[in-house]
Amino acid sequence: KAGVTQTPRYLIKTRGQQVTLSCSPISGHRSVSWYQQTPGQGLQFLFEYFSETQRNKGNFPGRFSGRQFSNSRSEMNVSTLELGDSALYLCASSYLGPTDTQYFGPGTRLTVL
Amino acid sequence: AQSVTQPDIHITVSEGASLELRCNYSYGATPYLFWYVQSPGQGLQLLLKYFSGDTLVQGIKGFEAEFKRSQSSFNLRKPSVHWSDAAEYFCAVGPFNNAGNMLTFGGGTRLMVKP
Repeated sequence: KAGVTQTPRYLIKTRGQQVTLSCSPISGHRSVSWYQQTPGQGLQFLFEYFSETQRNKGNFPGRFSGRQFSNSRSEMNVSTLELGDSALYLCASSYLGPTDTQYFGPGTRLTVL
Repeated sequence: AQSVTQPDIHITVSEGASLELRCNYSYGATPYLFWYVQSPGQGLQLLLKYFSGDTLVQGIKGFEAEFKRSQSSFNLRKPSVHWSDAAEYFCAVGPFNNAGNMLTFGGGTRLMVKP
């Protein structure tokens, strides 16, 4: 069974630009969650989508948004990039809820110059 | 708000020695508890999880963790460390009364293994 895939793996953008990251969950998984990992703030929950609906949201500004498609693939978008948005963005998928194992992808490394 | 504390940022142990990584959480009720491992350049891999029942949980790669309600702790242990265990370890909690997947992570403990 293929794991969680994230594209692209690396991305360089400049301040003010916007970016879209993609996540393909494991086949059959309906929940996709996004996390931001930085050296200063650690791992922080961004949001979770389940059956195309946002089920949970972390404490991030509105510049961070996401969506989920009918095939469970998910995208997250960051508008008006800031230097502090440089991070590893991790996507995780699971079948349904918290008792199901979450499988993480390798992440997308975003660098904002 | 829930929080997770991993008091040790770095730990170095000799290969073959035992290991204990500490994790304390703050939450109003018994949360779901997890330990993940992250190798350089990789995503996170689940080692073990606790929801209820037996407070000693067995995981993959020879790891185990013990939930102690009175101490709000969920420490990870391994009796004999291998060089391949060098990685960063994260403790996480998930809300018991939430149907979704929303993990709060500790700051992580970086494990180095001496030959």
